[in-house]
Amino acid sequence: KNEVEQSPQNLTAQEGEFITINCSYSVGISALHWLQQHPGGGIVSLFMLSSGKKKHGRLIATINIQEKHSSLHITASHPRDSAVYICAVIGKTSYDKVIFGPGTSLSVIP
Amino acid sequence: NAGVMQNPRHLVRRRGQEARLRCSPMKGHSHVYWYRQLPEEGLKFMVYLQKENIIDESGMPKERFSAEFPKEGPSILRIQQVVRGDSAAYFCASSLLIGGGETQYFGPGTRLLVL
Repeated sequence: KNEVEQSPQNLTAQEGEFITINCSYSVGISALHWLQQHPGGGIVSLFMLSSGKKKHGRLIATINIQEKHSSLHITASHPRDSAVYICAVIGKTSYDKVIFGPGTSLSVIP
Repeated sequence: NAGVMQNPRHLVRRRGQEARLRCSPMKGHSHVYWYRQLPEEGLKFMVYLQKENIIDESGMPKERFSAEFPKEGPSILRIQQVVRGDSAAYFCASSLLIGGGETQYFGPGTRLLVL
C-alpha cells in the first residue's frame, strides 16, 4: 500500500464544473502540499497545509489531520486548470522528506 | 528574488557519458532537495543536502549517482555512465529551514534524455 494515495487517478470535467481531488495518507505528517504540474512543465506549489482550510482564488484546500485526508477543490473550472495535481506530504522526520502521491490528471473541456 | 533555478533545462547524453545537473536555491535557502520523475511515474525523493553536507540520500541509486552542495555555488547532481533508464525529469527544491513543514520551492526541472 502506498503511503500517499489520490483519487481519482484521472478526471475529465466540463468547463464551469466544481472539481474535487482527494488525498489520503498513512504516515504521520507535519504538513501537506498540493502541487500543480502542467504537461512538460515545472511544478508549482499551490498550497501548504498543516490544519484547516486555505483558499486562493478558485482553489480551496482542506485537511483533516485526524482522518489523514486532504481535498483540493476547484470552483468554476476552466480549461487552463488542466494539469496533473499532486498531493505531497512532509513526513515527521527530522529531514522533512517529501512523499508524493501518484497525481490526478485533470482535463477540463470547454 | 529569483526563484529556484536549474540548468540546463534540457540535456541530451549518449549512453556512458556523464550528466551534471545544477540547482541554485532561492537566495538565503540552505536546504536543497533533489527529486526524480521517471516517464509515466510519480515524483520520488532522491537526496537532501545542506551546505557541504549530505543529510539524507536514501532515495539515491547506490551506483553512478552523487550529489553535492558546496559552500559556494549551486548544488550538483552528477550521474556517471548514464543509461537509458536515467532518462527522466530531475527537479530540485529549496527551503529556508526545516521543521514545522517549511515550504519547499521547486525549480523548473532538468529533462535528461539518454540516447
